[in-house]
Amino acid sequence: GQQVMQIPQYQHVQEGEDFTTYCNSSTTLSNIQWYKQRPGGHPVFLIQLVKSGEVKKQKRLTFQFGEAKKNSSLHITATQTTDVGTYFCAGRENTGFQKLVFGTGTRLLVSP
Amino acid sequence: GAVVSQHPSWVICKSGTSVKIECRSLDFQATTMFWYRQFPKQSLMLMATSNEGSKATYEQGVEKDKFLINHASLTLSTLTVTSAHPEDSSFYICSAPDAGKAPDTQYFGPGTRLTVL
Repeated sequence: GQQVMQIPQYQHVQEGEDFTTYCNSSTTLSNIQWYKQRPGGHPVFLIQLVKSGEVKKQKRLTFQFGEAKKNSSLHITATQTTDVGTYFCAGRENTGFQKLVFGTGTRLLVSP
Repeated sequence: GAVVSQHPSWVICKSGTSVKIECRSLDFQATTMFWYRQFPKQSLMLMATSNEGSKATYEQGVEKDKFLINHASLTLSTLTVTSAHPEDSSFYICSAPDAGKAPDTQYFGPGTRLTVL
């Protein structure tokens, strides 16, 4: 079945440093979504990318969807302590039903 | 935005008992709802797809007789963990797409933390 991997599993940065998490799917995706989950909380939708090569920005966050629609990345510029949490990508296969398959997640810790 | 609620938010039960978790779409109708399970420090794993008026579709490795799903109305899906055991302790989260919006818009409930003693 479809597998979605993320690297790194964990990253600890100092406040102000940049952060990037990479998402790779074993199959071509129709679209990809990104979520943030704070400790003890539930996933919160951040963004959806649909088009091949698409790039979207939300303030300090930059999201990219690969040309082959099998990978994606999330880059945070100048991290803040409020960025702490686990970031998940979630993709839908190009065929079949609209179920989301979540990536393995990247846990981000930001020290002041 | 659309809201999905879950009840209870947390539950502690004894081994061998059954626990029912409700997932409601509060301001939209959901013909489909998804149930996920998340163990500590792990990703969300899709358990099953709940379909209003028909049988749920279970993912490989998920026992349908243990995790009973009922989608009796367009706003309510329930997940019953039968004969719960400590290994069933987890965070259960539901989600629902809003059929009235773009097909890929999905809303997550706040989750239910189950602890089986």
